Amino acid sequence: KQEVTQIPAALSVPEGENLVLNCSFTDSAIYNLQWFRQDPGKGLTSLLLIQSSQREQTSGRLNASLDKSSGRSTLYIAASQPGDSATYLCAVTSGYALNFGKGTSLLVTP
Amino acid sequence: DGGITQSPKYLFRKEGQNVTLSCEQNLNHDAMYWYRQDPGQGLRLIYYSQIVNDFQKGDIAEGYSVSREKKESFPLTVTSAQKNPTAFYLCATLKGGQRTGELFFGEGSRLTVL
Repeated sequence: KQEVTQIPAALSVPEGENLVLNCSFTDSAIYNLQWFRQDPGKGLTSLLLIQSSQREQTSGRLNASLDKSSGRSTLYIAASQPGDSATYLCAVTSGYALNFGKGTSLLVTP
Repeated sequence: DGGITQSPKYLFRKEGQNVTLSCEQNLNHDAMYWYRQDPGQGLRLIYYSQIVNDFQKGDIAEGYSVSREKKESFPLTVTSAQKNPTAFYLCATLKGGQRTGELFFGEGSRLTVL
C-alpha cells in the first residue's frame, strides 16, 4: 500500500525566506504527483501537477521537483509571503485514486 | 462560473439519522470522488465514480452510500451505520485521464453529530 509522508508537519518562517517542503512516498510506481494548498476550513486548491515522466514543474514562485526513483518530491517556495500561510499537501496517483500525505502547516510571519 | 459546488457547508445531525451531502459540478469531468478529512490525518477515500451509473468503494466506504445518476452530480449519504461521522467531507473531480489527470476539489462540507 502506498504511504505518503510529509516532513516537517509544521514550519514557521519569517517573510521573505525561501523554503522547501518535502514529500516522500514508498512505492515509486506512480503515475503523477500533485501539490495542493488548503486554507483553514476550505477545500484543496491544486498548485502543481507533475507527471511521472517529468522532473519538475513551475508556477510563479512555486517550483516542484520529482525524483521517482528515490520516492521524493519537494515544493520550493521563493520569497515567502504571509499570504502563503496554509497547509500544503502532496498526493500521488498510483492506482485508482490519489494517496495523500498529512500535510505541512506553514506559517509565514511578517 | 465553472466549478464544484458542495452543500450544505455545515450540517448537524443527531445520532441515528441519515444525512445527504450534495456535490454538483459543471466542469464536464467524468470522474468524481468523495474524501473524508479528520484532524491530523490525511484525506481518505470513501467512494469514487469514473462514469455515470457506476461507482466503486474506496478505503473507508462502510456506513456511506452514493449514487451517480447524472454526470454533474455525486451525492454522498452518511448513514446511521457510520460509527464516527463527524468530519470534513470533500468532493473532487478529475480533469483528464485516470493516470495523468489533475484533481480539483469543492469547498467541503463539515458534518457534526450532536
